[in-house]
Amino acid sequence: AQKVTQAQTEISVVEKEDVTLDCVYETRDTTYYLFWYKQPPSGELVFLIRRNSFDEQNEISGRYSWNFQKSTSSFNFTITASQVVDSAVYFCALSEGNTGNQFYFGTGTSLTVIP
Amino acid sequence: EAGVVQSPRYKIIEKKQPVAFWCNPISGHNTLYWYRQNLGQGPELLIRYENEEAVDDSQLPKDRFSAERLKGVDSTLKIQPAELGDSAVYLCASSPGQGSYTGELFFGEGSRLTVL
Repeated sequence: AQKVTQAQTEISVVEKEDVTLDCVYETRDTTYYLFWYKQPPSGELVFLIRRNSFDEQNEISGRYSWNFQKSTSSFNFTITASQVVDSAVYFCALSEGNTGNQFYFGTGTSLTVIP
Repeated sequence: EAGVVQSPRYKIIEKKQPVAFWCNPISGHNTLYWYRQNLGQGPELLIRYENEEAVDDSQLPKDRFSAERLKGVDSTLKIQPAELGDSAVYLCASSPGQGSYTGELFFGEGSRLTVL
C-alpha cells in the first residue's frame, strides 16, 4: 500500500492564482514526520517544511502555508499568489518514528504556473 | 557550505555495460542515502548508510547493484551489468542525524542514467 498519496499528477494555474497541493499519508505509528520537498527543473530536491505528528498547528511562511489534519491524515500545501518560479514538482514525504530515517515519498505533483 | 556533490550528472551507456556513480555528502553528515527516481515518480530508497554501515539495503537489487562507503564519507553506487530498466536519476542525499533522528534530507542534483 502506498504510504504517501498525491492524487494530483499535474496542475496548471495562471500567475497570481492560489493553488493547493494535496497529500494523504498512511501510518500506524504515533510518532512520525511529514515533509514537503520542491524539485525544480534542475533536479535537486529542496526541503520546504517538516512537521511532527504531535504538532497540528498550521504554518505559514511567506506565500506558502501548510494544513496538517491528523483526522483525515492529510498534509496539504497551499501557495498563495503563485509565481512562475513556483513551477516545479512538489513531493510530500513521510518518515516513521519506528524505522528511523526511512523516508517514503509520494509520486509528486507537477505544478506549472502560466504567466 | 558545500552541498551534496554527485558525479557524473549524465551518463549514457549500452546495456550490459557497468556504470558507477559517486557522491560526496555534506561535511559532518553521518547518514547517506541513495535513491532512484524513475520518470514521473518519487524517489525510492536503494540503500541507507549510518557512517560506513549499510543499515537499510532491502530495496537494493543485489544481483547487479552494489554500494560502498568505506571511510564513512563519500560513497559509490555501481551497477553491473546495466539493464534498460535501470534508466533513471540516481539521487544521493545526506542528513546529520543518526538512528531515530528524522531531520530533513539534503539532496544532490542527481546522476541521470540512460541505458540504450
